Amino acid sequence: DSGVTQTPKHLITATGQRVTLRCSPRSGDLSVYWYQQSLDQGLQFLIQYYNGEERAKGNILERFSAQQFPDLHSELNLSSLELGDSALYFCASSVDLSSGANVLTFGAGSRLTVL
Amino acid sequence: GQQVMQIPQYQHVQEGEDFTTYCNSSTTLSNIQWYKQRPGGHPVFLIQLVKSGEVKKQKRLTFQFGEAKKNSSLHITATQTTDVGTYFCAGPEKYIFGTGTRLKILA
Repeated sequence: DSGVTQTPKHLITATGQRVTLRCSPRSGDLSVYWYQQSLDQGLQFLIQYYNGEERAKGNILERFSAQQFPDLHSELNLSSLELGDSALYFCASSVDLSSGANVLTFGAGSRLTVL
Repeated sequence: GQQVMQIPQYQHVQEGEDFTTYCNSSTTLSNIQWYKQRPGGHPVFLIQLVKSGEVKKQKRLTFQFGEAKKNSSLHITATQTTDVGTYFCAGPEKYIFGTGTRLKILA
């Protein structure tokens, strides 16, 4: 157990639907990152939050949105789902923003299948 | 923007052979990190390199940071089946992960 909790572990839904993925960071970590990993592909950065504020945004689709709540948990919302959105979505957390301390702890991921 | 490329994309080796993956950045990096993702698993932090020319070892794994701090390598000596997985490098801004090198071991 890495300390980063992601739910649900698996999700199967239909095209056009909307889903929410949840992430609880490791205790003490203020920063949360979301990544998408398609089958046998690399890690595509989606978005980063630090202490409730959006800090960086990657190539995140307009159909996707995220937020970090006061208790530091984060949610990634995916809407108008398409077949190509099927992927493993990872959440990672880190202590703070300074480069030297920015080691990421990843959750086990949420596997989304869009049919 | 910053780009981090890794080569090779795939590597199949016989058990007991050595393995090396290379990470190259388009810009100078203040530090570089390496992560390992086992099949079906999530990325796990291995090590961070900060100094120019730095070399760190973890048992059979040797990590090196280039003198210009634009490239890095991970070398595994005498691979074992437990080394199977994908190895990623990442720059200081975690927006960019390397493309990854998938290591498969032929027993």
